[in-house]
Parts: sequence; C-alpha cells; structure tokens
Amino acid sequence: QKEVEQNSGPLSVPEGAIASLNCTYSDRGSQSFFWYRQYSGKSPELIMFIYSNGDKEDGRFTAQLNKASQYVSLLIRDSQPSDSATYLCAVTGNEKLTFGTGTRLTIIP
Amino acid sequence: EPEVTQTPSHQVTQMGQEVILRCVPISNHLYFYWYRQILGQKVEFLVSFYNNEISEKSEIFDDQFSVERPDGSNFTLKIRSTKLEDSAMYFCASSGRASRETQYFGPGTRLLVL
Repeated sequence: QKEVEQNSGPLSVPEGAIASLNCTYSDRGSQSFFWYRQYSGKSPELIMFIYSNGDKEDGRFTAQLNKASQYVSLLIRDSQPSDSATYLCAVTGNEKLTFGTGTRLTIIP
Repeated sequence: EPEVTQTPSHQVTQMGQEVILRCVPISNHLYFYWYRQILGQKVEFLVSFYNNEISEKSEIFDDQFSVERPDGSNFTLKIRSTKLEDSAMYFCASSGRASRETQYFGPGTRLLVL
C-alpha cells in the first residue's frame, strides 16, 4: 500500500511568520511531488511541484525534497491570513496522484 | 488562464439512480482523470484516461463506474446505480503532454445520494 503521511494539524502560525509543512511517502519509486492548497469546500489548487532533490522556490513558497529520507516539505514565508487552508501533499510515480490527508494551516492575524 | 470546468456543481439523486458528471478539461491537455473526496477524507484516485481509453483505474472504480469522452471537449463519469457511499466530491483533472504528472483540478461536483 503506497502511503503519503502528513500531520493533520491544525497548525497555527502568526501572520508574517514562516509556516513549515511536512510530508513523508512510502513508495521509493515516486518521482514527482506536489503541494496543493485546498480551501474548505473547494478543489485542490496546485501551488508547487518538485522533481529533484533540494529546494525549489516560487515567490513566498519553497518546496524541499529529500528522496533518501522520503521526505517533502513546504515552507511559506511571510504567512498571510489568506494562506489559511488545508495543504495536501501528493506524489506520483506514473499517472495517478496519491494524496495525504492534508495539514490544516491557520494563520493568526 | 485556461481551467477545468465541471457541471453540475451539485447533484442530489436517489439511491439506485444513474448519474453523469461532466467535465471540460483544459483545451490542449491529453490526459484526464477523475478523483473523489468523501467528506473529511483524503482525495482518492478513480481513473485515468488517455487516447480514448482507460490507462489506469483504482479498486474503487468498479463495474458501476464508466468514463467516456463523447466529443472533442467533454469527459464524463457515469455511475450506473448509485449507492449511499458514493456521496462525495468528484473532481476532474487534466494534464498536458509536456508535464503529464502536473494535474490541474476542476471545481468539483458535490454528489449526494439519498
């Protein structure tokens, strides 16, 4: 059974601080890694993807991948109240995305 | 910016009835997917579709489910005889040739089976 594990939270972070979200996966054959943001009652919205070990930055977001440790993380700098959402980690080795349960993030003004 | 669209946004049906959920993927995308999310649970893969045939399906996608691309723009999911446990959000997603794994999701159809 291929699993993606995330801490369900809630994770509370003060506005302006760095939010750190973590994810581990079980399938060593996974090749592509994604972070989606999901607001309550809405669909997943792609915010970052990463394929290679190391860091990838896009604006306030940084994705980090460590394939040896089977670990993916997402850092959100200068957190805003609009960042309050559930963050879904997803991995794939072929076509289908396997999702974690998501981490609920709350930014406190 | 191109986006995936889905209709209807909400569907209420009686157990045993057939439902068809419709999706219009992003226009130049070639790979199409259905996922579902039961309330409070994780997003689960149902099926992937490429070149007019199913390329992969999950164990959830049993004989009650079918998919079709009836024309050049629509992609449908049919549930033949709905069960109470089919109540969920159903998301369509699509991806392009250049980055097959990068999937963009539609807004979803909330299906309620009574």
